[in-house]
Amino acid sequence: DTEVTQTPKHLVMGMTNKKSLKCEQHMGHRAMYWYKQKAKKPPELMFVYSYEKLSINESVPSRFSPECPNSSLLNLHLHALQPEDSALYLCASSQGLRGRTIPSYNEQFFGPGTRLTVL
Amino acid sequence: GQQVMQIPQYQHVQEGEDFTTYCNSSTTLSNIQWYKQRPGGHPVFLIQLVKSGEVKKQKRLTFQFGEAKKNSSLHITATQTTDVGTYFCAGDPDKLIFGTGTRLQVFP
Repeated sequence: DTEVTQTPKHLVMGMTNKKSLKCEQHMGHRAMYWYKQKAKKPPELMFVYSYEKLSINESVPSRFSPECPNSSLLNLHLHALQPEDSALYLCASSQGLRGRTIPSYNEQFFGPGTRLTVL
Repeated sequence: GQQVMQIPQYQHVQEGEDFTTYCNSSTTLSNIQWYKQRPGGHPVFLIQLVKSGEVKKQKRLTFQFGEAKKNSSLHITATQTTDVGTYFCAGDPDKLIFGTGTRLQVFP
């Protein structure tokens, strides 16, 4: 199974809502990533988990809260978002770690993304 | 901060013409990856280059990593309509930074 799945596919939420994005992979990868992609822009790295521990947080606002419950799952909890947070949120995974804290950024497998709209 | 720029931003070609996108980093990279994202889709890994001056081919696609490991190129020979999409390079000095992307449109 070389697939990364993400749910939901689309999400519309108000600025006071709390919601969660989910990502799952069964390739045995121990590095998982959250990216944010605005229209016609490249993916921007948000968070990196390596061996279920947060290894990189790209100065993301606290209204985004990642969680890695186990090696196959990655969540992104959303609370009090702003309209400018509307974007495509991509999850990715990879293997081949340089160490337990820094992934070596080998081939990344991306999920289909969650298209988020904040009203 | 580190930047990875790609040119051109857009390219429209007639089917059968060649296409090249160039990727330039402000810092030396440990490796370079290339991804393709179809309209409405997600990035899909194409290849990774690690060595200075490395050249790799995949059918009609030729990838090159510069001698100084600060630039790279992707060349497609005889484009097809299936080549439509945005091509991103992604460099890894210490974290993966995606280039600005080149959007390719192919007219039949």
